[in-house]
Amino acid sequence: GIQVEQSPPDLILQEGANSTLRCNFSDSVNNLQWFHQNPWGQLINLFYIPSGTKQNGRLSATTVATERYSLLYISSSQTTDSGVYFCAGAISGGYNKLIFGAGTRLAVHP
Amino acid sequence: GAGVSQTPSNKVTEKGKYVELRCDPISGHTALYWYRQSLGQGPEFLIYFQGTGAADDSGLPNDRFFAVRPEGSVSTLKIQRTERGDSAVYLCASSPMVGQTNNEQFFGPGTRLTVL
Repeated sequence: GIQVEQSPPDLILQEGANSTLRCNFSDSVNNLQWFHQNPWGQLINLFYIPSGTKQNGRLSATTVATERYSLLYISSSQTTDSGVYFCAGAISGGYNKLIFGAGTRLAVHP
Repeated sequence: GAGVSQTPSNKVTEKGKYVELRCDPISGHTALYWYRQSLGQGPEFLIYFQGTGAADDSGLPNDRFFAVRPEGSVSTLKIQRTERGDSAVYLCASSPMVGQTNNEQFFGPGTRLTVL
């Protein structure tokens, strides 16, 4: 199966700072999602982005499918951005079951 | 509209007992997935339903785990003879249908299972 590697594993930011989270895949994926897991454990959908670039407020994401990576940008971070960010991908023909990375644990301090 | 719901939110049981975890997908979503998340890790795939049938159960750890979706909507994950190692958060997700243009999955809040 595919391997999903996320970096960095941990990130500490001061409120207002910008950051970039990276997700590398060992094989081509035809579905890629970014999630934010809040302190209560709920996985919140951020982006469905098999390819290209999308933006939603202070967040944006870019997937370069041919090079098997995706980036999540967080600008002007806020304390409410704290939590764990997961990327997950699915391979073609695999019933779209998502393979998750280990996550990036983000702490934003005031 | 309502999202994916799961019940119970927490379940504490004793080693050897049987448990059932329920998932209510988003209305109209034909694809349903179960995942399991252990502490400090990302979710791991267990089983996938397209409609009523389990199309892929390759992630179930052993034959103590079983899941059903008899009417193509609500699904129940069943664990027999629970072991302490089964303790985890069990997550359910749904998506419109595999093979459509948008296969985005939406997750429920999970059931935290603790086996004493």
